[in-house]
Amino acid sequence: DTGVSQNPRHKITKRGQNVTFRCDPISEHNRLYWYRQTLGQGPEFLTYFQNEAQLEKSRLLSDRFSAERPKGSFSTLEIQRTEQGDSAMYLCASSLAVGRDSNQPQHFGDGTRLSIL
Amino acid sequence: GQQVMQIPQYQHVQEGEDFTTYCNSSTTLSNIQWYKQRPGGHPVFLIQLVKSGEVKKQKRLTFQFGEAKKNSSLHITATQTTDVGTYFCAGSEFGGYNKLIFGAGTRLAVHP
Repeated sequence: DTGVSQNPRHKITKRGQNVTFRCDPISEHNRLYWYRQTLGQGPEFLTYFQNEAQLEKSRLLSDRFSAERPKGSFSTLEIQRTEQGDSAMYLCASSLAVGRDSNQPQHFGDGTRLSIL
Repeated sequence: GQQVMQIPQYQHVQEGEDFTTYCNSSTTLSNIQWYKQRPGGHPVFLIQLVKSGEVKKQKRLTFQFGEAKKNSSLHITATQTTDVGTYFCAGSEFGGYNKLIFGAGTRLAVHP
């Protein structure tokens, strides 16, 4: 079990630029989740995948955000035309689930910290 | 939409004192999970509660799930400096593919 891996660990960019983050889940995990966390808050759900299918995207997420998991393994999260308010820690988590209501622990990566100048 | 509220926001105790954090959901939950996040770290799974009225213990930690499956608590007996961190509850609704809605967390500081 190598754990959930996220890259890069830190990203500093100018407002208006596009950024892409990568998440490699635990290899046998079929579910992958993206969260955003700001200081003093809990992780905020963004989107999740069951294998390669994106099952839900938060209504709070603007059209500037898009996520993919093309082969049901790693996932990417892209933010277009970044804004100051996008500055946060972006966390990825994975779990192994059987069935729709399968309740399994989520294993989190160390996150990508995004800073918008 | 589903909301999860957690209190207190911050708790400062002397080592050896007890600590409790409370979690309330606006909707009935399928299950509730608890995570711990150390400063600079990522959330780490502690436990999951599924049944109404369920109580689980892990050494000095006691977790409870309310009868209505809308509230939960975490109690730590005789805190130690290693308990420092932020404790989050996270609820999942039925049919939600275990999509977790996190509370804002309770940050625990333990002074020796």
